[in-house]
Amino acid sequence: ETGVTQSPTHLIKTRGQQVTLRCSSQSGHNTVSWYQQALGQGPQFIFQYYREEENGRGNFSPRFSGLQFPNYSSELNVNALELDDSALYLCASSLVLAGAETQYFGPGTRLLVL
Amino acid sequence: AQKITQTQPGMFVQEKEAVTLDCTYDTSDPSYGLFWYKQPSSGEMIFLIYQGSYDQQNATEGRYSLNFQKARKSANLVISASQLGDSAMYFCAMREENYGGATNKLIFGTGTLLAVQP
Repeated sequence: ETGVTQSPTHLIKTRGQQVTLRCSSQSGHNTVSWYQQALGQGPQFIFQYYREEENGRGNFSPRFSGLQFPNYSSELNVNALELDDSALYLCASSLVLAGAETQYFGPGTRLLVL
Repeated sequence: AQKITQTQPGMFVQEKEAVTLDCTYDTSDPSYGLFWYKQPSSGEMIFLIYQGSYDQQNATEGRYSLNFQKARKSANLVISASQLGDSAMYFCAMREENYGGATNKLIFGTGTLLAVQP
């Protein structure tokens, strides 16, 4: 039990729609990262938020955007969904003080785009 | 560019035996961290063990140990006394340092599926 929760657990959308995925970080953690894991692959870094500011981004389309809130919960938004967006989306929280720290993952949201 | 390679797509091990999962990495950064995560079919990534590039000793956490060979750029996970509940996907990951401030970005390998047989 990592203390990181995600909602919803599963989601089905159609091409062109928009989706919002939510994550609640472990209490006190100031950093949240989002990853996309396609079937049979390792997770790929989408972006990271630190104290409500985007603090790094992977090689993902601008269709992917995010928010982090003062209570350390966060959202991942994907616009104009494409079939290839079907994946498991994982959020991970960590407490970054003097340096980077271990990331703790939530259970993920499985998104299917039809 | 940083890269993690896991060459074993799948492994079998008998219950109570030890198993080694291979991981090699590539980086030009002198400071980095190496992680192993376990992913059951439920999807959650469970943190197992961490090794810093400057750590002199191999990391251990209960039945998990990390065989860190810096010169060979390998960070193999050893699971001792395997249990049925160890059956899962295992990912090796590296923390990329000095990534424009995103010091917590993880780069993952493709994973190894471990099946523990009774």
